Amino acid sequence: GQNIDQPTEMTATEGAIVQINCTYQTSGFNGLFWYQQHAGEAPTFLSYNVLDGLEEKGRFSSFLSRSKGYSYLLLKELQMKDSASYLCAVLDSNYQLIWGAGTKLIIKP
Amino acid sequence: DGGITQSPKYLFRKEGQNVTLSCEQNLNHDAMYWYRQDPGQGLRLIYYSQIVNDFQKGDIAEGYSVSREKKESFPLTVTSAQKNPTAFYLCASSIPRGGGTDTQYFGPGTRLTVL
Repeated sequence: GQNIDQPTEMTATEGAIVQINCTYQTSGFNGLFWYQQHAGEAPTFLSYNVLDGLEEKGRFSSFLSRSKGYSYLLLKELQMKDSASYLCAVLDSNYQLIWGAGTKLIIKP
Repeated sequence: DGGITQSPKYLFRKEGQNVTLSCEQNLNHDAMYWYRQDPGQGLRLIYYSQIVNDFQKGDIAEGYSVSREKKESFPLTVTSAQKNPTAFYLCASSIPRGGGTDTQYFGPGTRLTVL
């Protein structure tokens, strides 16, 4: 079966750095997405990785290792507004998006 | 402004009633999707459509129906056959598969509560 694993919840301090991991086992791979979702709102696109390596976009970076079936989202200089759930999703060989359950990130002052 | 709209944001229905959720997009995207989100779970695909007048079942299509008569619109009907319809419903759209990154963009969602 297809599976995406991410931690259920993480806590970090304002101004710090946090890394949210995602491991996947899917039938084929056509890219990995990270989305941010605030409570009660729709997911918003953060990043897309299809090749191995690190993609940096401001305070957020996303890393992919296809051989390990592994990705992480790195958030720097954490702000209170970063409190949200972070969803990892993989595009499989049929171009279907397989979603993880999401990681709830709690930021403390 | 380009975007996806869903209405209403909150919807209450009595058990046994059918209800239709609206989804409209003006992004000129060919592909549209309906997801269901329950607490502590990932998004689950209900139906998707790659082109007008065509749609495919997702992982949890039972108890739901859709239509795609226009490119801009992809309404979802939650029928009385759906055993546990209370959930947060999300509509998304993207460019067609293989046409790029397939990034999906989401509407604001409709929270359906069946009483």
